[in-house]
Amino acid sequence: DGGITQSPKYLFRKEGQNVTLSCEQNLNHDAMYWYRQDPGQGLRLIYYSQIVNDFQKGDIAEGYSVSREKKESFPLTVTSAQKNPTAFYLCASSARDRDNSPLHFGNGTRLTVT
Amino acid sequence: DQQVKQNSPSLSVQEGRISILNCDYTNSMFDYFLWYKKYPAEGPTFLISISSIKDKNEDGRFTVFLNKSAKHLSLHIVPSQPGDSAVYFCAASEYNFNKFYFGSGTKLNVKP
Repeated sequence: DGGITQSPKYLFRKEGQNVTLSCEQNLNHDAMYWYRQDPGQGLRLIYYSQIVNDFQKGDIAEGYSVSREKKESFPLTVTSAQKNPTAFYLCASSARDRDNSPLHFGNGTRLTVT
Repeated sequence: DQQVKQNSPSLSVQEGRISILNCDYTNSMFDYFLWYKKYPAEGPTFLISISSIKDKNEDGRFTVFLNKSAKHLSLHIVPSQPGDSAVYFCAASEYNFNKFYFGSGTKLNVKP
């Protein structure tokens, strides 16, 4: 079955450490996204990529970095510069013909930094 | 500033009745609107979408209405079922910009 795989589901880190969240898709989608969800808030866009080797900052990119070396993969690194890293992180993808392809989401990674 | 707003954090409905979830937006350039359903600790699941050239789109029990002049859309669920209990997010995007903006969500509780 095609879909988006995020791993791990739960992640714990000490403050000051960088951590990388994995996202893999086999939907052959060109565009991939990272969102963050905090309690009582909507999904906020961190980074997105419309094509391999290219990506753009979203609304809350500070303290995060990404890479897009392969079409299938869009890992997100949460750096020590991110002031409030504890959150639920969601990866998504879509075809570039977006009128026929909404965002498809993975099941998320809950990151806890103490 | 939030470009997509869901002003009702929660809604409670009796099983079999209609659920109406509302969403407002501020960006007049948005032309594609979507509704997602989300259970705790899971990713959102796409429900239904509508393009700005339409004012209504139906898919089974789900209907989305778009009022462009009011910058308002709504999701109707008829009849509501207990399994519909979840958080519902509306989202919008602008043509040629592959970015999707989300509301803060409405938690729907369908009582048996």
